[in-house]
Amino acid sequence: AQSVAQPEDQVNVAEGNPLTVKCTYSVSGNPYLFWYVQYPNRGLQFLLKYITGDNLVKGSYGFEAEFNKSQTSFHLKKPSALVSDSALYFCAVRDSPGGSYIPTFGRGTSLIVHP
Amino acid sequence: NAGVTQTPKFQVLKTGQSMTLQCAQDMNHNSMYWYRQDPGMGLRLIYYSASEGTTDKGEVPNGYNVSRLNKREFSLRLESAAPSQTSVYFCASSVDWSSYNSPLHFGNGTRLTVT
Repeated sequence: AQSVAQPEDQVNVAEGNPLTVKCTYSVSGNPYLFWYVQYPNRGLQFLLKYITGDNLVKGSYGFEAEFNKSQTSFHLKKPSALVSDSALYFCAVRDSPGGSYIPTFGRGTSLIVHP
Repeated sequence: NAGVTQTPKFQVLKTGQSMTLQCAQDMNHNSMYWYRQDPGMGLRLIYYSASEGTTDKGEVPNGYNVSRLNKREFSLRLESAAPSQTSVYFCASSVDWSSYNSPLHFGNGTRLTVT
């Protein structure tokens, strides 16, 4: 079975500081990992994904994520936060081979960037 | 491209009333999904359609029905609305449900209130 956890309901960071939004996962096979962002009154937008290869994945809007197999984590990072990064962030996982084709989403982490 | 379009954006129903939420995608995707989003619960899958002509239950299908009208359109019907169905509903699509590395593309949601 595949599962994903986002241990923080909310993350607060000052503008200009680095940010990290945490995600841990559990799979039987190989993980396919995704990050999505949701702005107020909008649907989720795809940010980046890890399939295989380089453990540091770069995505949209200056975000990147670090895959750590030993810690089963896929944390979202950005070197310098912007107020406009304030949004809800979701981690998702698919398990291959043999897992569900339907991604499992975390409960989301609200990122608040203070001016 | 419009991507995934959902109608209506907002709806208020009385208990027992019925309604259909419409969803259309213009990306030639094979697979489509209906999720609901509730505070603290993250995203929960209601139904999905792996391909035109097929539909399957997700995590929370009770009280809902779906129709995959054609490759573009996937509707969600509430036959007898209940207050517990007050939620934000999202439609999503992906290239193919068995493509592990394909992200989901989401619409902007329908905010439904059942009184």
